Amino acid sequence: GNSVTQMEGPVTLSEEAFLTINCTYTATGYPSLFWYVQYPGEGLQLLLKATKADDKGSNKGFEATYRKETTSFHLEKGSVQVSDSAVYFCALIRTQGGSEKLVFGKGTKLTVNP
Amino acid sequence: DAGVIQSPRHEVTEMGQEVTLRCKPISGHNSLFWYRQTMMRGLELLIYFNNNVPIDDSGMPEDRFSAKMPNASFSTLKIQPSEPRDSAVYFCASSPTTLGLAGGQFFGPGTRLTVL
Repeated sequence: GNSVTQMEGPVTLSEEAFLTINCTYTATGYPSLFWYVQYPGEGLQLLLKATKADDKGSNKGFEATYRKETTSFHLEKGSVQVSDSAVYFCALIRTQGGSEKLVFGKGTKLTVNP
Repeated sequence: DAGVIQSPRHEVTEMGQEVTLRCKPISGHNSLFWYRQTMMRGLELLIYFNNNVPIDDSGMPEDRFSAKMPNASFSTLKIQPSEPRDSAVYFCASSPTTLGLAGGQFFGPGTRLTVL
């Protein structure tokens, strides 16, 4: 079935550094891909998504491009802030028996130091 | 608009006690999901409902766990009897429909359960 693999953390960066969190997927066809973010003590929030190959999702300075050639959906941000410290989850849709569910990666913890 | 509402936010109980977690999905959403999050296993899908009907409960760990959705605006996850290894954060999420998750799921704030 469809699955995602994301880089293990934790990742520690200084403020204004460039961020990349890798995510690769295994899928039949081209399912929608997502990045979710979980701030300390909160539930997951949708950060960005891409619904078809070659799409770029973007939000809050974060970007990810759906690349079918490399089966990847890496998350990037040019200049991180302390407030970006959180856990980031890559996810995709798995379709089974006419219904769908999200399949999440294990999460990557990001800490940004001032 | 109110988001997904979960209660209680924190629960501390003793081993063997019954625990009931509650969730109110976003109004108009037809699909509801229960997840468990731990450091060891990450985020696990326990069960999900579509139009109040359980669709996939393959993630429910064992018979001690049960979930119900008596109407479109309310769901419960019950653990009876509880054990220390059930300690985790339990999240409820909803989405407009299971065929259409491209819009994403909306998560509640979670219930942090500690079983002593």
